[in-house]
Amino acid sequence: EVQLVQSGAEVKKPGESLKISCKGFGYSFTTYWIGWVRQMPGKGLEWMGTIYPGDSDTRYSPSFQGRVTISADKSISTAYLQWSSLKASDTAMYYCAKITRYGYNLDSFDIWGQGTMVTVSS
Amino acid sequence: EIVMTQSPATLSLSPGERATLSCRASQSVNSNLAWYQQKPGQAPRLLIYDASTRATGIPARFSGSGSGTEFTLTISSLQSEDFAIYYCQQYNNWPPWAFGQGTTVEIK
Repeated sequence: EVQLVQSGAEVKKPGESLKISCKGFGYSFTTYWIGWVRQMPGKGLEWMGTIYPGDSDTRYSPSFQGRVTISADKSISTAYLQWSSLKASDTAMYYCAKITRYGYNLDSFDIWGQGTMVTVSS
Repeated sequence: EIVMTQSPATLSLSPGERATLSCRASQSVNSNLAWYQQKPGQAPRLLIYDASTRATGIPARFSGSGSGTEFTLTISSLQSEDFAIYYCQQYNNWPPWAFGQGTTVEIK
């Protein structure tokens, strides 16, 4: 079964760093782009950025460029989303999602992780 | 930057009724448009991609149409499990991949 399994919920203080993960199972992890999507409490979906695990080619939304870092370790089929200095406004659910079709970098997301809730509070 | 606008914000319908959801792009996205369903506490689920292709396992009561800037998601006969929030998303170009703000389909 194709699935993405994300790391567990996090509670952090403003200014702290964080790295959350997304591990792929059941498919060729290196050949499908993986995206990250933010959903703030009670709000809609926002695309943050996308990475191709095969060569770590990464594209960011202008809204998130410089605020987060997306990376991947293809040896363990895992993608990451990290912050160097969290803010209260980073409180949200974060989803990773896999591109639908092999060889496409512009496509829908067919498989989603279960989400990682990040809470930033002093 | 392409902006996706969904309407209506909320659709109040009864089980068995037909639901018609709209999504408009601020410029052409060709047929590079997807629809997702999200239920409370769950991750989004892909329903439709390429504007009209049902994703694997999606019931035939869900259909998508449109191209360019105007798109429609139709649910032919609402089932109890279809009451949820629906999002459209363009993937014609980036950055960014834009989502619409969502349409809530609620029980009347």
